[in-house]
Amino acid sequence: EPEVTQTPSHQVTQMGQEVILRCVPISNHLYFYWYRQILGQKVEFLVSFYNNEISEKSEIFDDQFSVERPDGSNFTLKIRSTKLEDSAMYFCASGPASGFGNTIYFGEGSWLTVV
Amino acid sequence: AQSVAQPEDQVNVAEGNPLTVKCTYSVSGNPYLFWYVQYPNRGLQFLLKYITGDNLVKGSYGFEAEFNKSQTSFHLKKPSALVSDSALYFCADNSGYALNFGKGTSLLVTP
Repeated sequence: EPEVTQTPSHQVTQMGQEVILRCVPISNHLYFYWYRQILGQKVEFLVSFYNNEISEKSEIFDDQFSVERPDGSNFTLKIRSTKLEDSAMYFCASGPASGFGNTIYFGEGSWLTVV
Repeated sequence: AQSVAQPEDQVNVAEGNPLTVKCTYSVSGNPYLFWYVQYPNRGLQFLLKYITGDNLVKGSYGFEAEFNKSQTSFHLKKPSALVSDSALYFCADNSGYALNFGKGTSLLVTP
């Protein structure tokens, strides 16, 4: 069964460093997402991406965040200058269509620890 | 605002007993409701969803959920719990541009 894959599974970085989290969405999907889950809290939407541009973003997704689809398969989340509060599990997800009842499939997550 | 609520932080049930994990929704317009499960150190796995039609929705691993419009609920159920069902369960609404998750309910099934 096709699945979303994410790398790295765990990354430790120093505050102020740049981090890139990588994802390979399911191959025939068109919509890509990043979510995050701070330890003990709910899963929160960050950004959605379609047709090589951001389609929606939350208040969390400020100027320190960016997303890119550098080639036909990868989808990346860059955090420019990490802060302690960026420590969280980051989930990539993909779906064949957008919202309104369409199923979104998640990767296993990248656990980011900022020290 | 669209939202879902999971009133229980934790549900404990003995193996073999029926289980229910509760979810209520507050959505203007038609709700599109989902259940996801997160096993320890794993990602979110899709279990089932309600879009329209039959109020009883069947999903993966023997789970089902009942959409109740009058009570604005979408409780997750399973007739006979397994120890391996122990995990974190998330209800979500997808009536907008993205999934909006509840805070999650930890299910513990004891032998």
